[in-house]
Amino acid sequence: ILNVEQSPQSLHVQEGDSTNFTCSFPSSNFYALHWYRWETAKSPEALFVMTLNGDEKKKGRISATLNTKEGYSYLYIKGSQPEDSATYLCALHTGNQFYFGTGTSLTVIP
Amino acid sequence: DVKVTQSSRYLVKRTGEKVFLECVQDMDHENMFWYRQDPGLGLRLIYFSYDVKMKEKGDIPEGYSVSREKKERFSLILESASTNQTSMYLCASKNEREEGTQYFGPGTRLLVL
Repeated sequence: ILNVEQSPQSLHVQEGDSTNFTCSFPSSNFYALHWYRWETAKSPEALFVMTLNGDEKKKGRISATLNTKEGYSYLYIKGSQPEDSATYLCALHTGNQFYFGTGTSLTVIP
Repeated sequence: DVKVTQSSRYLVKRTGEKVFLECVQDMDHENMFWYRQDPGLGLRLIYFSYDVKMKEKGDIPEGYSVSREKKERFSLILESASTNQTSMYLCASKNEREEGTQYFGPGTRLLVL
């Protein structure tokens, strides 16, 4: 079992603030690092799939980077909006399995 | 629009009952997964299947079994439900590509009394 850690556990920000959170993992031998957004009462939804060291992906105001050598990925949200409120999960895909972190719960206050 | 559906959003069962959680995907995916999610813990893999009639144990298979008779359907079975199986259960599917992403169902919140 791989230990994937996310920090912080929860975060409250004001609307318009930019924020970032971290996913750290022990292994450099994996297929991909995945980020998901999980809104209350909905299914987790895929945000990014990252496979290469130095990868940077962007979707609107949200972006992510990957550093495989030091074992972390950052997720950035620029100009947070209330609709960004959700739990953000990262998962390491290695072998046949996905290993999930405990998530970062983001609340954006209007 | 891709879809993974789960048979129930909420379920209440009594200790000792046999419980079936059903998951159906319409994306022709080879791989399907069952997870449970508990407060303070990440999603933990119970079982997965990479083909019809094939199954592999995940990290926490004790007390569970699975069935995959058709490609689109993956069932999780609690042979004799216990209170420590009260949890949120999530089903997911993905295609065979190594970097392929998982698509999740909405979850079933199970309460065992």
